[in-house]
Amino acid sequence: DAGVIQSPRHEVTEMGQEVTLRCKPISGHDYLFWYRQTMMRGLELLIYFNNNVPIDDSGMPEDRFSAKMPNASFSTLKIQPSEPRDSAVYFCASSWSTGGWNEQYFGPGTRLTVT
Amino acid sequence: GQQLNQSPQSMFIQEGEDVSMNCTSSSIFNTWLWYKQDPGEGPVLLIALYKAGELTSNGRLTAQFGITRKDSFLNISASIPSDVGIYFCAGHSSSNTGKLIFGQGTTLQVKP
Repeated sequence: DAGVIQSPRHEVTEMGQEVTLRCKPISGHDYLFWYRQTMMRGLELLIYFNNNVPIDDSGMPEDRFSAKMPNASFSTLKIQPSEPRDSAVYFCASSWSTGGWNEQYFGPGTRLTVT
Repeated sequence: GQQLNQSPQSMFIQEGEDVSMNCTSSSIFNTWLWYKQDPGEGPVLLIALYKAGELTSNGRLTAQFGITRKDSFLNISASIPSDVGIYFCAGHSSSNTGKLIFGQGTTLQVKP
């Protein structure tokens, strides 16, 4: 079975550019989470969706960050404009409410570097 | 807000040794999870615990859900080089509605 798929795996961009990260959750999962990981702050939850609806976006750093989930099999995290301090690894994770719904399964991550 | 304290922060051990790490919380959790992260990869779920006092094994790994519901332990027996990585605990409480709180991680290095 395919796990959580993220693209791109690596992204290098210049400050001020728009960045879009993509995620395909595990089929059948109804929760989707976006995390950011840095050495200084560890794993931070940015936002999560249930049945494509954003439930909690209190972790989104600022208005430059936005996330969408247009359907059950796709989500995007957009940063516009990007800044060097956004450099981090961004993970997408998914889980399902009818099973072990706290068991989140992570994608391989997107390593973002903003110069 | 809720926080998890994970210890030790790092460990450097000899192959074949047993390893123990733990996580504590200031509040009660109803789920404890343990993840392992290899370099350049996402965290991988190792063990999930749902009941106070529960003891669950996954191969050489054993985890326990503390009786107080405020702590959890992960033990690795007879460590091997591929056990190297960062181990994270994560907890969920009923007040968090879907969110997991993650510990800071324990970095494990194994000397062959």
